[in-house]
Amino acid sequence: EVQLLESGGGLEQPGRSLRLSCAASGLSFSNYAMSWVRQAPGKGLEWVSGISGSGGGTFYADSVKGRFTISRDNSRNTLSLQMNSLRGEDTAIYYCAKEAYRGVGPTDYYYMDVWGKGTTVTVSS
Amino acid sequence: EIVLTQSPGTLSLSPGERATLSCRASESIRSSYLAWYQHKPGQAPRLLIYGASSRATGLPDRFSGSGSGTDFTLTISRLEPEDFAVYYCQQYGTSPRWTFGQGTKVEIK
Repeated sequence: EVQLLESGGGLEQPGRSLRLSCAASGLSFSNYAMSWVRQAPGKGLEWVSGISGSGGGTFYADSVKGRFTISRDNSRNTLSLQMNSLRGEDTAIYYCAKEAYRGVGPTDYYYMDVWGKGTTVTVSS
Repeated sequence: EIVLTQSPGTLSLSPGERATLSCRASESIRSSYLAWYQHKPGQAPRLLIYGASSRATGLPDRFSGSGSGTDFTLTISRLEPEDFAVYYCQQYGTSPRWTFGQGTKVEIK
């Protein structure tokens, strides 16, 4: 069974930094792209950042570009999100998710098939 | 940037009733890039449908997805107590890589 377990959340002041981790098990981790998705209080899901299986490709939402850095350690089956220059609007539950790709004939399918339960980040003075 | 608009915002129904949730894209998208998720408070989001109409492994057949182009629908044929939750549509793109709709809450009437 594939499992994802996030950690590293907490209370931090605006302008400070926080590093989130996601430990993956039950899969060949390096074969899959991964993403971070967040949910602010009372809001919907928002994609934050993604990374290819090799780590060579990284992707960011405009709202975090230049402040957050996604990375992965395939030898330790771990995904990370370095969050710098934190703002109040970064307050959210952060989920890591496994991206799925399926090629069926000429058709490519993309979706997120496994999610963690999330870690809570609160940015407040 | 493609925007996904879900309607209604809230759906108030009784167990056993049919739920029809809509997801409209601001421009045409590939059906194979459209997915639906269920999310309950305190839990991980759960994949329901991918490719607009393919059920995730183990998903009860009361859940079905349909649509193409800009209009997609998630239907729950007969609501069970465990189905009351928030539902999101999502599309895979380029920039941004992933986009979610704002969600539809299905609540007990």
